[in-house]
Amino acid sequence: NAGVTQTPKFRVLKTGQSMTLLCAQDMNHEYMYWYRQDPGMGLRLIHYSVGEGTTAKGEVPDGYNVSRLKKQNFLLGLESAAPSQTSVYFCASSRAASPSGELFFGEGSRLTVL
Amino acid sequence: DQQVKQNSPSLSVQEGRISILNCDYTNSMFDYFLWYKKYPAEGPTFLISISSIKDKNEDGRFTVFLNKSAKHLSLHIVPSQPGDSAVYFCAASGRNTDKLIFGTGTRLQVFP
Repeated sequence: NAGVTQTPKFRVLKTGQSMTLLCAQDMNHEYMYWYRQDPGMGLRLIHYSVGEGTTAKGEVPDGYNVSRLKKQNFLLGLESAAPSQTSVYFCASSRAASPSGELFFGEGSRLTVL
Repeated sequence: DQQVKQNSPSLSVQEGRISILNCDYTNSMFDYFLWYKKYPAEGPTFLISISSIKDKNEDGRFTVFLNKSAKHLSLHIVPSQPGDSAVYFCAASGRNTDKLIFGTGTRLQVFP
């Protein structure tokens, strides 16, 4: 039971570099989300998707792009990384939208931007 | 503008005693509330939820209370166990929304 898998789990970037975080879920969930967790800020929604081929902005979308080309995958991209994007990133998926859809989270990806 | 607030960043409780974690919200459109639990180096996991049509929901040692007029909910853990030591996030969602809004989290430590 893989559930929600995030890769990579750790990454160090220099300011201005680009990277992509990959989220894969094997539960056939329609909804997928990217959150970031920062000290004192809790979990903040970056972008989300309500189905294959769709994306929408969350609370803190600036500096990030996403794509959902396949139902099972949700990619989070940083085109030009900034130190303010140092964070722990969590992907989640759910069968349905809130409130009925319980979120299942991945283990997180720790990103450091120098 | 934090719509869901957990004003206590940490809480320390002795094993066997009650742990009470609090959460306040500002958006009156929220009608479903959840608690998630997170251990270090793991993703959050769902713990318990409550709909706005109820004022209490119980699941074993965990009970969530909702006070709609005060826009306040609380999670009670009785009796507390060392394995309950984790960060607890309150979350809320509303009608016609696909999003779950999380609070800032409360770190609970249960000591022997």
